[in-house]
This record gives sequence, structure tokens and C-alpha cells, in this order.
Amino acid sequence: DPKIIQKPKYLVAVTGSEKILICEQYLGHNAMYWYRQSAKKPLEFMFSYSYQKLMDNQTASSRFQPQSSKKNHLDLQITALKPDDSATYFCASSQDPSQNTLYFGAGTRLSVL
Amino acid sequence: QQQVRQSSQSLTVWEGETAILNCSYENSAFDYFPWYQQFPGEGPALLIAIRSVSDKKEDGRFTIFFNKREKNLSLHIKDSQPGDSATYFCAAQGNNRIFFGDGTQLVVKP
Repeated sequence: DPKIIQKPKYLVAVTGSEKILICEQYLGHNAMYWYRQSAKKPLEFMFSYSYQKLMDNQTASSRFQPQSSKKNHLDLQITALKPDDSATYFCASSQDPSQNTLYFGAGTRLSVL
Repeated sequence: QQQVRQSSQSLTVWEGETAILNCSYENSAFDYFPWYQQFPGEGPALLIAIRSVSDKKEDGRFTIFFNKREKNLSLHIKDSQPGDSATYFCAAQGNNRIFFGDGTQLVVKP
């Protein structure tokens, strides 16, 4: 059974629209992350959260907003979508920020037309 | 400035050969170096890792050789199998931050 669930697996959106990418982890971890993978940047760090608080943000655009409603949830809201946002978005978790091993979900593949 | 560099974007070897994937890093404060393996359609998964106090870590057919003075490391995959075909990410961690290289796509031909 997958321990990190990302929904949906595939997502097609039109330019200018808004989408939410869902991530839930069932590993009992306290730190969660979002990464983006594209041809331009194979594995790009976006955000880290620990105990539902933002720890680090490497995303320049405010169009990307993480949302943590529960300790094991970290969704990613993307507004005013652009074709350049097309990528696979991976959610990951670790026991806590100092823990060395990241566990990744299977990703949400976003295509913006 | 890129913190972690992988010398090859892609590498092709024959089944049974040893695949060698190279990596270098910038910050001498990094103290933990994991390698992640990613198959198409999946997220990366931890394969093997080494701490900076060691110079070698072995796990089955996978070995990391680490050179702290030169700030580089390599992943050796002995007796490569077609099932090892994947993208391998070198990473470096320190101060609660992890940096990934751009990945090496390994193809093992039968």
C-alpha cells in the first residue's frame, strides 16, 4: 500500500486556471515537502513544512501556496496557471527536518495548455 | 551556484558490467550523501547513503566511494542488470537542507 498518496495522478488544466494538488502521508512523519520535476530542472525543491509550519520556501512565485489542514496533509494550490508550470509535482516526507531519508509519493503530472 | 553536480546526464552499460556514476559537491559542511533511484512514473526512492565520516559504503551490488578532501563521490553498481535502468540522483545534506544533483539516466543493455 502506498504510504504517501498524491491525487490526482494526472491533471490537465487551462492557462489562467487554479488547481489543488493533494498529498497525504501515512508514515507518521512530522516533516513534509513539495518538489517539482521537469525537463529543465530534474528535482527542484519548493517547500518544506514541519509540524504544519512553513520551514523553507524556495519558490519565487506566490502563485504556489502550500496548505496544511492536518499534520499528515500538505496540499499545493497553484493559481493563474501557466504552460511553464507543466511538470510532475512530488510530495515527500521525513520523520522530522533533521531526518536524512526522504520518502516520495508517486507524483502528480500536471499539463497546462 | 549548483551545490551538487553529477558528471553525466546519461550512461549506458552492458549487462554484467560495473556502472560508475560520479558526483561532486560544493559545501564542505555537507555530512550526509544519499543516492536516490527513480523509475519512470514513480517517485525517487532512497537506494544507499553514506556519512562524511566514512569513505566507503556497500550494500549488495551497490557501493559508494567517498572522497571528502576532493568533495566527490561515486556510486558503483556491480554486475549491472537491465532492471537497474533508472535515473540516479546524488544528493548532499547538511543543516536540515538537502540538495539534489540533476540525475544520471542509466541504461543497462541486455
